[in-house]
Amino acid sequence: DAEITQSPRHKITETGRQVTLACHQTWNHNNMFWYRQDLGHGLRLIHYSYGVQDTNKGEVSDGYSVSRSNTEDLPLTLESAASSQTSVYFCASSEQSYNEQFFGPGTRLTVL
Amino acid sequence: GNSVTQMEGPVTLSEEAFLTINCTYTATGYPSLFWYVQYPGEGLQLLLKATKADDKGSNKGFEATYRKETTSFHLEKGSVQVSDSAVYFCALSDRIQGAQKLVFGQGTRLTINP
Repeated sequence: DAEITQSPRHKITETGRQVTLACHQTWNHNNMFWYRQDLGHGLRLIHYSYGVQDTNKGEVSDGYSVSRSNTEDLPLTLESAASSQTSVYFCASSEQSYNEQFFGPGTRLTVL
Repeated sequence: GNSVTQMEGPVTLSEEAFLTINCTYTATGYPSLFWYVQYPGEGLQLLLKATKADDKGSNKGFEATYRKETTSFHLEKGSVQVSDSAVYFCALSDRIQGAQKLVFGQGTRLTINP
């Protein structure tokens, strides 16, 4: 069955370190998205991609970057982790012309 | 910009009670509307959706009707179960250059007591 996976599921890191969160989908979807989930804010879009070599900033992109070198993967990098980036991160994907997004199980990141 | 407002939680009900979770939206054009559910420790799953005015989405006993005149998409269920305990998110689609970006409400935590 097609799926979307994230790794690691839990990560503890220190302020200033670079961290990369992985997202892999086997749906063969063109669109991929990264969100962060914080109490009182719902999910907020960090970055998104329409396809290979395409990336775009969302509403809370400062301090994050993504790259899309193939259809299946969209890794999220925190260049220099900050305590404000402690959150739960969700990856999602969707087909180009279909509007349902499929979500991964999430990564809980703690920045000390 | 587009936005979604949900009723604040948490909401606690007894089993077999009637559930309503309010959702209103602000949007230009005619977005699609969604309810997603998040069970403890899991990612979000699509519960139901509606793509145009007066459409009713339904799934697992839950229903929501796209009301353009009141810009609402309230979630209802006639008789809730303990297994319905979860966080519910209302969302709308914001089409950007052919891709669908979702705008989420803040979520409503629902707890059902036996």
